[in-house]
Amino acid sequence: EPEVTQTPSHQVTQMGQEVILRCVPISNHLYFYWYRQILGQKVEFLVSFYNNEISEKSEIFDDQFSVERPDGSNFTLKIRSTKLEDSAMYFCASLDRPLNSPLHFGNGTRLTVT
Amino acid sequence: GNSVTQMEGPVTLSEEAFLTINCTYTATGYPSLFWYVQYPGEGLQLLLKATKADDKGSNKGFEATYRKETTSFHLEKGSVQVSDSAVYFCALTNAGGTSYGKLTFGQGTILTVHP
Repeated sequence: EPEVTQTPSHQVTQMGQEVILRCVPISNHLYFYWYRQILGQKVEFLVSFYNNEISEKSEIFDDQFSVERPDGSNFTLKIRSTKLEDSAMYFCASLDRPLNSPLHFGNGTRLTVT
Repeated sequence: GNSVTQMEGPVTLSEEAFLTINCTYTATGYPSLFWYVQYPGEGLQLLLKATKADDKGSNKGFEATYRKETTSFHLEKGSVQVSDSAVYFCALTNAGGTSYGKLTFGQGTILTVHP
């Protein structure tokens, strides 16, 4: 079965550094999402992306965050200047067609900001 | 806004025991409801879903019924196995189009099943 793949599985970075989290959604999917889960807290929606632009973003997704689909296969989340509180598990997800298919999640990237 | 509340965990059961994980929600309109499962080291996988009141979602022996009158979507399984040990998330969406993938999650319930 096709999968959403995320790399790396674990990223350690220093506060203030830029980090890029990478995702390869399922190839025929059209809708893309990022979620995060701070340790011990709920999984939270960050942003949705469709037709090469952001469809919706949460309050968490401030100017430090950006997303991009640089080619036909990758979907990236960039954090410009990481803070300690950005430490979390970040999940990428993709969707074929709304209402007719489930949201497919990757295994996540654990980001640790020191 | 939307919210999902799950029973506190962790839940520890013996193999073949009956499982219930409670989930209640607050949402406007008519949300779609989901249970996702996360096995160790893996991503979130859809376990089951229900899209309207009184629908029952089922998969792998798990069931949940969409109860609009009690705003609940409790997960049940009659006889758990060690392989069911995982984290279970209740979630909802009440949006269409691209927002369909914007899920509101509960806090997750860790289930451990002992032989």
